[in-house]
Amino acid sequence: QVTLRESGPALVKPTQTLTLTCTFSGFSLSTTGMYVTWVRQPPGKALEWLALIDSDDDKYYNTSLKTRLTIAKDTSKNQVVLTLTDMDPVDTATYYCARDEGYGYFDSWGQGARVTVSS
Amino acid sequence: DIVMTQSPASLAVSLGERATINCKSSQTVLHGSNNKDYLAWYQQKAGQPPKLLIYGASTRESGVPDRFSGSGSGTDFTLTISSLQAEDVAVYYCQQYHSTPVYSFGQGTKLEIK
Repeated sequence: QVTLRESGPALVKPTQTLTLTCTFSGFSLSTTGMYVTWVRQPPGKALEWLALIDSDDDKYYNTSLKTRLTIAKDTSKNQVVLTLTDMDPVDTATYYCARDEGYGYFDSWGQGARVTVSS
Repeated sequence: DIVMTQSPASLAVSLGERATINCKSSQTVLHGSNNKDYLAWYQQKAGQPPKLLIYGASTRESGVPDRFSGSGSGTDFTLTISSLQAEDVAVYYCQQYHSTPVYSFGQGTKLEIK
Protein backbone atom coordinates (compact mmCIF):
# COMPACT_ATOMS: atom_id res chain seq x y z
CA GLN A 1 0.00 0.00 0.00
CA VAL A 2 1.39 3.36 -1.07
CA THR A 3 1.12 6.21 1.42
CA LEU A 4 2.53 9.72 1.50
CA ARG A 5 2.38 12.24 4.31
CA GLU A 6 3.38 15.89 4.31
CA SER A 7 4.73 17.60 7.41
CA GLY A 8 5.93 21.07 8.23
CA PRO A 9 4.94 24.35 9.85
CA ALA A 10 1.36 25.52 9.61
CA LEU A 11 2.37 29.18 9.90
CA VAL A 12 5.35 31.05 8.51
CA LYS A 13 6.14 34.73 8.46
CA PRO A 14 6.74 36.75 5.30
CA THR A 15 10.33 36.50 4.00
CA GLN A 16 10.93 33.26 5.91
CA THR A 17 11.84 29.96 4.25
CA LEU A 18 9.30 27.13 4.22
CA THR A 19 10.58 23.58 4.62
CA LEU A 20 8.18 20.71 4.02
CA THR A 21 8.88 17.00 4.29
CA CYS A 22 7.12 14.24 2.41
CA THR A 23 7.48 10.85 4.10
CA PHE A 24 6.33 7.94 2.01
CA SER A 25 6.00 4.17 2.13
CA GLY A 26 5.04 1.39 -0.23
CA PHE A 27 7.58 2.35 -2.89
CA SER A 28 11.22 3.40 -3.15
CA LEU A 29 12.79 6.40 -4.81
CA SER A 30 15.76 4.20 -5.63
CA THR A 31 13.54 2.34 -8.12
CA THR A 32 14.46 3.43 -11.63
CA GLY A 33 11.90 5.79 -13.12
CA MET A 34 10.20 6.66 -9.85
CA TYR A 35 9.39 10.30 -9.14
CA VAL A 36 8.00 12.29 -6.22
CA THR A 37 6.34 15.59 -7.02
CA TRP A 38 4.99 18.59 -5.11
CA VAL A 39 1.77 20.41 -5.98
CA ARG A 40 0.13 23.28 -4.13
CA GLN A 41 -3.39 24.69 -3.98
CA PRO A 42 -4.24 28.15 -2.63
CA PRO A 43 -7.58 28.28 -0.81
CA GLY A 44 -10.42 27.96 -3.30
CA LYS A 45 -8.05 27.93 -6.26
CA ALA A 46 -6.57 25.50 -8.75
CA LEU A 47 -3.71 23.04 -8.45
CA GLU A 48 -0.23 24.30 -9.29
CA TRP A 49 2.66 21.95 -10.01
CA LEU A 50 5.83 22.97 -8.16
CA ALA A 51 8.71 20.51 -8.46
CA LEU A 52 9.74 16.90 -8.82
CA ILE A 53 12.71 14.69 -8.10
CA ASP A 54 13.45 11.34 -9.67
CA SER A 55 15.32 8.19 -8.82
CA ASP A 56 18.46 9.53 -10.51
CA ASP A 57 18.33 12.64 -8.31
CA ASP A 58 17.37 14.81 -11.28
CA LYS A 59 15.29 17.80 -10.23
CA TYR A 60 12.77 19.88 -12.13
CA TYR A 61 10.96 23.06 -11.13
CA ASN A 62 8.04 25.25 -12.04
CA THR A 63 9.66 27.91 -14.21
CA SER A 64 7.95 30.80 -12.45
CA LEU A 65 9.12 29.65 -8.99
CA LYS A 66 12.44 28.11 -9.93
CA THR A 67 14.63 30.67 -8.18
CA ARG A 68 12.85 30.06 -4.86
CA LEU A 69 12.41 26.28 -4.87
CA THR A 70 14.70 23.45 -3.88
CA ILE A 71 13.80 19.77 -3.79
CA ALA A 72 15.94 17.02 -2.29
CA LYS A 73 15.58 13.39 -1.31
CA ASP A 74 16.82 11.10 1.41
CA THR A 75 16.31 7.65 -0.06
CA SER A 76 17.30 5.85 3.14
CA LYS A 77 14.56 7.65 5.07
CA ASN A 78 11.98 7.54 2.26
CA GLN A 79 11.67 11.30 2.40
CA VAL A 80 11.57 14.21 -0.01
CA VAL A 81 12.09 17.75 1.23
CA LEU A 82 10.82 20.89 -0.47
CA THR A 83 12.04 24.35 0.47
CA LEU A 84 10.49 27.61 -0.71
CA THR A 85 12.34 30.78 0.16
CA ASP A 86 11.13 34.34 0.68
CA MET A 87 7.59 33.36 1.59
CA ASP A 88 4.77 35.79 0.84
CA PRO A 89 1.06 35.75 1.75
CA VAL A 90 0.29 34.64 -1.84
CA ASP A 91 2.14 31.40 -1.02
CA THR A 92 -0.60 30.51 1.46
CA ALA A 93 -1.82 27.13 0.26
CA THR A 94 -2.18 23.44 0.90
CA TYR A 95 0.98 21.70 -0.24
CA TYR A 96 0.69 18.12 -1.51
CA CYS A 97 3.29 15.53 -2.37
CA ALA A 98 2.42 12.77 -4.80
CA ARG A 99 3.96 9.76 -6.52
CA ASP A 100 4.67 9.58 -10.22
CA GLU A 101 5.79 6.20 -11.54
CA GLY A 102 7.54 7.94 -14.38
CA TYR A 103 4.55 8.32 -16.64
CA GLY A 104 3.81 11.93 -15.75
CA TYR A 105 0.55 11.53 -13.86
CA PHE A 106 0.17 11.25 -10.11
CA ASP A 107 -1.44 8.08 -8.83
CA SER A 108 -1.05 8.51 -5.06
CA TRP A 109 -1.28 11.71 -3.03
CA GLY A 110 -0.71 12.76 0.55
CA GLN A 111 -3.45 14.47 2.53
CA GLY A 112 -1.70 17.81 2.23
CA ALA A 113 -0.08 20.32 4.57
CA ARG A 114 -1.87 23.62 5.02
CA VAL A 115 0.54 26.54 5.22
CA THR A 116 -0.43 30.11 6.06
CA VAL A 117 1.92 33.03 5.50
CA SER A 118 1.21 35.85 7.89
CA SER A 119 3.06 38.18 10.21
CA ASP B 1 4.58 26.33 -21.19
CA ILE B 2 1.43 24.44 -22.11
CA VAL B 3 -1.71 26.18 -20.80
CA MET B 4 -4.75 24.07 -19.99
CA THR B 5 -8.18 25.67 -20.18
CA GLN B 6 -11.28 23.96 -18.81
CA SER B 7 -14.91 24.70 -19.48
CA PRO B 8 -17.30 25.33 -17.97
CA ALA B 9 -15.97 26.68 -14.68
CA SER B 10 -18.99 25.21 -12.92
CA LEU B 11 -21.74 22.81 -13.87
CA ALA B 12 -24.99 21.66 -12.26
CA VAL B 13 -26.47 18.36 -13.43
CA SER B 14 -29.43 16.33 -12.20
CA LEU B 15 -28.85 12.95 -10.61
CA GLY B 16 -28.75 10.21 -13.25
CA GLU B 17 -28.01 12.67 -16.04
CA ARG B 18 -24.85 13.07 -18.09
CA ALA B 19 -22.12 15.51 -17.10
CA THR B 20 -19.56 16.72 -19.62
CA ILE B 21 -16.39 18.67 -18.83
CA ASN B 22 -14.05 20.03 -21.45
CA CYS B 23 -10.31 20.66 -21.42
CA LYS B 24 -8.28 22.38 -24.11
CA SER B 25 -4.50 22.58 -24.29
CA SER B 26 -2.57 25.44 -25.91
CA GLN B 27 -0.38 22.90 -27.72
CA THR B 28 -0.88 19.32 -28.70
CA VAL B 29 -0.30 16.75 -25.97
CA LEU B 30 -0.24 13.91 -28.45
CA HIS B 31 3.16 12.25 -28.29
CA GLY B 32 4.36 11.55 -31.81
CA SER B 33 6.60 8.65 -30.83
CA ASN B 34 3.81 6.45 -29.46
CA ASN B 35 0.60 8.19 -30.61
CA LYS B 36 -0.59 8.58 -27.02
CA ASP B 37 -2.18 11.64 -25.51
CA TYR B 38 -0.47 12.75 -22.32
CA LEU B 39 -3.57 13.97 -20.53
CA ALA B 40 -4.94 12.98 -17.12
CA TRP B 41 -8.12 13.79 -15.19
CA TYR B 42 -8.43 14.11 -11.41
CA GLN B 43 -11.37 14.35 -9.04
CA GLN B 44 -11.06 16.42 -5.88
CA LYS B 45 -13.78 16.23 -3.27
CA ALA B 46 -14.07 18.89 -0.59
CA GLY B 47 -11.28 18.67 1.97
CA GLN B 48 -9.54 15.82 0.18
CA PRO B 49 -6.49 15.49 -2.07
CA PRO B 50 -6.99 14.95 -5.79
CA LYS B 51 -7.68 11.44 -6.99
CA LEU B 52 -6.47 10.14 -10.35
CA LEU B 53 -9.41 9.11 -12.55
CA ILE B 54 -8.06 8.83 -16.07
CA TYR B 55 -4.69 8.89 -17.80
CA GLY B 56 -3.68 8.68 -21.42
CA ALA B 57 -6.84 10.70 -22.11
CA SER B 58 -9.09 7.64 -21.93
CA THR B 59 -7.70 4.91 -19.65
CA ARG B 60 -9.50 4.60 -16.34
CA GLU B 61 -7.36 4.15 -13.26
CA SER B 62 -7.98 0.91 -11.40
CA GLY B 63 -11.12 1.06 -9.27
CA VAL B 64 -12.68 4.03 -11.04
CA PRO B 65 -16.35 3.39 -11.91
CA ASP B 66 -17.07 2.89 -15.58
CA ARG B 67 -19.53 5.79 -15.62
CA PHE B 68 -16.39 7.95 -15.91
CA SER B 69 -14.91 8.12 -19.39
CA GLY B 70 -12.37 10.29 -21.16
CA SER B 71 -12.12 11.13 -24.82
CA GLY B 72 -10.37 13.44 -27.23
CA SER B 73 -6.96 13.82 -28.78
CA GLY B 74 -4.40 16.46 -29.64
CA THR B 75 -5.65 19.62 -27.97
CA ASP B 76 -9.31 18.93 -27.11
CA PHE B 77 -10.48 16.54 -24.43
CA THR B 78 -13.66 15.63 -22.59
CA LEU B 79 -14.46 13.95 -19.30
CA THR B 80 -17.93 12.43 -19.25
CA ILE B 81 -19.87 11.06 -16.32
CA SER B 82 -22.62 9.02 -17.93
CA SER B 83 -25.07 8.96 -15.00
CA LEU B 84 -24.31 11.42 -12.23
CA GLN B 85 -24.29 10.05 -8.70
CA ALA B 86 -24.37 12.12 -5.52
CA GLU B 87 -20.82 11.06 -4.66
CA ASP B 88 -19.54 12.61 -7.90
CA VAL B 89 -19.91 16.14 -6.54
CA ALA B 90 -16.36 17.47 -6.74
CA VAL B 91 -13.97 19.70 -8.62
CA TYR B 92 -12.43 18.06 -11.67
CA TYR B 93 -9.01 18.95 -13.09
CA CYS B 94 -7.21 18.03 -16.27
CA GLN B 95 -3.41 17.81 -16.35
CA GLN B 96 -0.98 17.58 -19.24
CA TYR B 97 2.24 15.64 -18.94
CA HIS B 98 3.39 16.02 -22.52
CA SER B 99 5.96 18.64 -21.56
CA THR B 100 7.32 16.29 -18.95
CA PRO B 101 8.91 16.88 -16.53
CA VAL B 102 7.18 20.24 -16.43
CA TYR B 103 3.47 19.80 -15.86
CA SER B 104 0.36 21.96 -15.80
CA PHE B 105 -3.23 21.70 -14.63
CA GLY B 106 -6.45 23.25 -15.81
CA GLN B 107 -8.23 25.71 -13.55
CA GLY B 108 -10.84 23.17 -12.49
CA THR B 109 -14.55 22.58 -13.07
CA LYS B 110 -16.90 22.47 -10.10
CA LEU B 111 -19.64 19.87 -10.51
CA GLU B 112 -22.79 20.14 -8.43
CA ILE B 113 -26.21 18.50 -8.28
CA LYS B 114 -29.08 20.42 -9.86
